[in-house]
Amino acid sequence: KQEVTQIPAALSVPEGENLVLNCSFTDSAIYNLQWFRQDPGKGLTSLLLIQSSQREQTSGRLNASLDKSSGRSTLYIAASQPGDSATYLCAANPFGNEKLTFGTGTRLTIIP
Amino acid sequence: EAEVAQSPRYKITEKSQAVAFWCDPISGHATLYWYRQILGQGPELLVQFQDESVVDDSQLPKDRFSAERLKGVDSTLKIQPAELGDSAMYLCASGRIQDTQYFGPGTRLTVL
Repeated sequence: KQEVTQIPAALSVPEGENLVLNCSFTDSAIYNLQWFRQDPGKGLTSLLLIQSSQREQTSGRLNASLDKSSGRSTLYIAASQPGDSATYLCAANPFGNEKLTFGTGTRLTIIP
Repeated sequence: EAEVAQSPRYKITEKSQAVAFWCDPISGHATLYWYRQILGQGPELLVQFQDESVVDDSQLPKDRFSAERLKGVDSTLKIQPAELGDSAMYLCASGRIQDTQYFGPGTRLTVL
């Protein structure tokens, strides 16, 4: 059974710093891995999707990497802003099945 | 930009009552998902539809939960009777096979 872990559970950094969020998964047989953002009391917003054949994806100040062999993905946020404050969730999508397995998320706070 | 619609946004009910949630996916998305998210945890899939057919309902508590997508478009998730442990955010998502899932704003259920 796939298990997805995100450490730390919470992170606070000063505005302007670059930061890395971590995601690990136990079963490397994944079709893709997705990163989502969730604001308090709201739904999820898709940030980046990395196919299993890819090593990384970039969107603006966000860069996500994938290392299937080690069961790890990272989300890099450059030049953090207060508006980046939210919970970030990663989710693994197994082969032949669209059932996403989510981590518990990292709650990010950017301090102005 | 097209969005997934959900209603109601908030629902407060008493234990043993019936509740129903509605979801209208993005037009053209054949796959629809219902997730349950307990506070502080990642979403967990309850049921997945492909058009009007259930693909996966292995985590749906079928003694009290039911879901339907009669015409392969919008969907309803029902709980009867509601229990205290059902208090959570219920999220609907839609997408194309093995592509990004797009989430609605969710319905926050509180069972008293």
